[in-house]
Amino acid sequence: GENVEQHPSTLSVQEGDSAVIKCTYSDSASNYFPWYKQELGKRPQLIIDIRSNVGEKKDQRIAVTLNKTAKHFSLHITETQPEDSAVYFCAASNTGFQKLVFGTGTRLLVSP
Amino acid sequence: NAGVTQTPKFRILKIGQSMTLQCAQDMNHNYMYWYRQDPGMGLKLIYYSVGAGITDKGEVPNGYNVSRSTTEDFPLRLELAAPSQTSVYFCASSSLTGNSNSPLHFGNGTRLTVT
Repeated sequence: GENVEQHPSTLSVQEGDSAVIKCTYSDSASNYFPWYKQELGKRPQLIIDIRSNVGEKKDQRIAVTLNKTAKHFSLHITETQPEDSAVYFCAASNTGFQKLVFGTGTRLLVSP
Repeated sequence: NAGVTQTPKFRILKIGQSMTLQCAQDMNHNYMYWYRQDPGMGLKLIYYSVGAGITDKGEVPNGYNVSRSTTEDFPLRLELAAPSQTSVYFCASSSLTGNSNSPLHFGNGTRLTVT
């Protein structure tokens, strides 16, 4: 089955810096790659997703890139703000519905 | 819309007890899921359902059972609680439009402790 690895497990940046979180997946049939943000004690919430027919997608300060050949995808956050501090999860799915396999998460801390 | 509603929010069980975690959604979504989240870990799929009357196992189904008698409700049953089932449980739902699935909508979670 699918296996998703996520790095780093913890990331500390200064406000205004960029943050990059990387994930690799094992199943070449995977075709859907969402990123979720989870604040402490809250539910995970989708922040951006990408499908396998697209190489990059942007939404304001957030972007995701996908390299299908290398089977990895990354989340890029520019101009980080303290409210970006949270745990970020990547996930992958190779089914028509969202039977997602999640990475282990990255705790992002943005210091003022 | 209330979205995905989970009850209870917190529960403490003794080893061997049983309980049902409730999940309801009011978005008319076909697909529903149960995930568990252990500290410092990602979410693991326990069971999922593609519609009323249809359920299937995820990555970690042992010790759990589900049913889907209606589109709205997807309860998760623990029959003989074990300490390894201490976790936060998230219910989620999604819909299918054409060939694309909507993002997962998560409930607020149930924090379960088994002692």
